[in-house]
Amino acid sequence: GESVGLHLPTLSVQEGDNSIINCAYSNSASDYFIWYKQESGKGPQFIIDIRSNMDKRQGQRVTVLLNKTVKHLSLQIAATQPGDSAVYFCAESRGSYIPTFGRGTSLIVHP
Amino acid sequence: DAGITQSPRHKVTETGTPVTLRCHQTENHRYMYWYRQDPGHGLRLIHYSYGVKDTDKGEVSDGYSVSRSKTEDFLLTLESATSSQTSVYFCAISTDLVYGYTFGSGTRLTVV
Repeated sequence: GESVGLHLPTLSVQEGDNSIINCAYSNSASDYFIWYKQESGKGPQFIIDIRSNMDKRQGQRVTVLLNKTVKHLSLQIAATQPGDSAVYFCAESRGSYIPTFGRGTSLIVHP
Repeated sequence: DAGITQSPRHKVTETGTPVTLRCHQTENHRYMYWYRQDPGHGLRLIHYSYGVKDTDKGEVSDGYSVSRSKTEDFLLTLESATSSQTSVYFCAISTDLVYGYTFGSGTRLTVV
């Protein structure tokens, strides 16, 4: 399998803690945002998305917050588990344009 | 990965040689994409297809060509590989240009 994890910001947490991963996006006109998880040796996998008419959206153990004023997106993972260790990155889209992807953050969960 | 297969998984090739990577899907999705992933960069779009024989360039298309002769197959060709094309390549599929991307497991290409 394939992965890329070099040269990325890293967040280290203890198992059971909550994790917050941040993403600054570039285009104030973007209206749709997606978070992906990429485990070592695998392709990116969809986690959760949010539209610009929302500030918050919750999934199973994950919450995405959107602050359009400062063009900031965050992914909160509750009760982080070792299986959450991965690279997380956000993507933004405007209208019907293909999303553009950020560089990502490496999350390391210590048992 | 949900009906999408990339081949080969690993390849080492010499500078100046042609290389073709294959993406095969069993989902009958309209859209297919080729991305490259490099340290310090997010996924960058090389080319995408919106139907059989319908393709368009992405942000890093120089040095790459694609073909889609069947719905299920999307080929990425490096006509004359260069060391700057050493990367991990991902294929993705979707039913919509914006939503619901499914990615393959990637191909690590090394050009020596």
